[in-house]
Amino acid sequence: AQKITQTQPGMFVQEKEAVTLDCTYDTSDPSYGLFWYKQPSSGEMIFLIYQGSYDQQNATEGRYSLNFQKARKSANLVISASQLGDSAMYFCAMRGMEYGNKLVFGAGTILRVKS
Amino acid sequence: GAVVSQHPSWVICKSGTSVKIECRSLDFQATTMFWYRQFPKQSLMLMATSNEGSKATYEQGVEKDKFLINHASLTLSTLTVTSAHPEDSSFYICSANRQGKNIQYFGAGTRLSVL
Repeated sequence: AQKITQTQPGMFVQEKEAVTLDCTYDTSDPSYGLFWYKQPSSGEMIFLIYQGSYDQQNATEGRYSLNFQKARKSANLVISASQLGDSAMYFCAMRGMEYGNKLVFGAGTILRVKS
Repeated sequence: GAVVSQHPSWVICKSGTSVKIECRSLDFQATTMFWYRQFPKQSLMLMATSNEGSKATYEQGVEKDKFLINHASLTLSTLTVTSAHPEDSSFYICSANRQGKNIQYFGAGTRLSVL
């Protein structure tokens, strides 16, 4: 079974609008971490936001927030007030003991912000 | 600023030669570092886990004699692609965890082109 699923290969969003990038995961671990990374065309992987499975509140970092729905095993990334510089590939990732405590990545979603 | 430095960012080599890529943690000690490979428009694939002072742990299907990993100090891991061939051309990226922290930080990556 797919461990991390990102169902949106590509997304468009108008500048200054909000966008949600979907991520669902599969694990039987009670303790795990969920991550979102941004990869611009330069290739670097930029850490955006982290959510622990026991965290009671949704994580937020500036314009990024993580919509964590544990029962549904989803961890969607919400980017508010999109900027042209947000155009990039976005990866959802998970780490837990079930997968050897290694970071497991989804297939990614390409986001394009339109002016 | 960057917490993990990777060098070189881009390398072109002739088939049959070896290429060394360095990964440094800049202001923290990393007993474990990770090496990934990424093909165009695909996700990151973990190649191996680099362990300071001991042998690296390779993922299934990754040739350890082809991709030599050395983690001689707490701030430096190197990946050597030995006898490189055109099929080894790819984007290689390393990462490390700050001790006691959940976040895995990535280097800027190395684009390898083997002619």
